[in-house]
Amino acid sequence: ELKVEQNPLFLSMQEGKNYTIYCNYSTTSDRLYWYRQDPGKSLESLFVLLSNGAVKQEGRLMASLDTKARLSTLHITAAVHDLSATYFCAAGPPKGGNYQLIWGAGTKLIIKP
Amino acid sequence: DVKVTQSSRYLVKRTGEKVFLECVQDMDHENMFWYRQDPGLGLRLIYFSYDVKMKEKGDIPEGYSVSREKKERFSLILESASTNQTSMYLCASWVGPFSTEAFFGQGTRLTVV
Repeated sequence: ELKVEQNPLFLSMQEGKNYTIYCNYSTTSDRLYWYRQDPGKSLESLFVLLSNGAVKQEGRLMASLDTKARLSTLHITAAVHDLSATYFCAAGPPKGGNYQLIWGAGTKLIIKP
Repeated sequence: DVKVTQSSRYLVKRTGEKVFLECVQDMDHENMFWYRQDPGLGLRLIYFSYDVKMKEKGDIPEGYSVSREKKERFSLILESASTNQTSMYLCASWVGPFSTEAFFGQGTRLTVV
């Protein structure tokens, strides 16, 4: 059974600092997705990571995937207040399973001025 | 540029009512999903559909049913609404794990009184 664990679940940080959110998944899955959710809003796609060693960057956010370690990271560089949101990772589909995504619990990120 | 549209943004219904939540996608995707999102519980899959008239139960199908008569439309039905079904409901559409992300609708915040 594919399970996805994110940590931390809550992160409060100062502007200008760097930090990393971790996403571990329990069984083989070649693909990892990162989403952002603002309060009261729906989910917006950030990154799609499709193979081992994949790295994607957009502004101050960088995501990477290590399929051997079953780990993806979302790194925030020199955080700014606008990045405050909840970040979700999702893996899938599970091998031999239907086309569905398995979601982490989300990391609520608060960036203080 | 709208890809996934949910019929209502906010909905208030009475206990015992039959409630229909509609979701339409314009991307010709086979796979569509209904999730509910509650504080601290992340995204929980209610049902998903991988083809017209095909459906599979997710993690929390009790009290819900779905209908997919046309490829672009996936409906979530609360047969007899209860207060514990007060939640944010999110519909998503996905071509599959080949290249792209899943797309989400704007969400329906349902309150059952």
